[in-house]
Amino acid sequence: DVKVTQSSRYLVKRTGEKVFLECVQDMDHENMFWYRQDPGLGLRLIYFSYDVKMKEKGDIPEGYSVSREKKERFSLILESASTNQTSMYLCASRPTGEEKLFFGSGTQLSVL
Amino acid sequence: GEDVEQSLFLSVREGDSSVINCTYTDSSSTYLYWYKQEPGAGLQLLTYIFSNMDMKQDQRLTVLLNKKDKHLSLRIADTQTGDSAIYFCAEVRTYKYIFGTGTRLKVLA
Repeated sequence: DVKVTQSSRYLVKRTGEKVFLECVQDMDHENMFWYRQDPGLGLRLIYFSYDVKMKEKGDIPEGYSVSREKKERFSLILESASTNQTSMYLCASRPTGEEKLFFGSGTQLSVL
Repeated sequence: GEDVEQSLFLSVREGDSSVINCTYTDSSSTYLYWYKQEPGAGLQLLTYIFSNMDMKQDQRLTVLLNKKDKHLSLRIADTQTGDSAIYFCAEVRTYKYIFGTGTRLKVLA
């Protein structure tokens, strides 16, 4: 089975801190995604990557950046965390040519 | 509008049928999807329907598609407590997933 692993289940950070959220997938998928999930808003795409060192902005990239140095790892970076970035963050991957997404379990981030 | 819309909550009694509705926007979607999110977990693909189909049945799940009205529904027969979860419909536009707001299904014993 495909496994998408997010390094932290819960994270508490302070306003202004730099935050790294890590995601690793073990099935050699080309495409990786970062979403945030908020009640009543569903999932919103922050950034995605279709290859190593490639990245594309999603719908809400402001305040975030990403890094994809290796195929299996996609990192989401909050340069200076703010309280409105408190949310559930979900990583997903999929192989090129298929539409099915495989999700990690999510990281609940609280910014105080 | 550009949103994929769902009602936020649904409550049913164990053993009853549940119907979760979704209105999507892009009629060019090849497939339409239902994902399930159990408490404390990510999303898992539950089922999907090809856009030239009206109905798909998979054990207790029935997906109905009305392309004219851009309406998708998921029916769960004999709903069990293990079906309690958030259900998301999704369409794909230019390889990009657009998710609905999610419907939280609560099953009462």
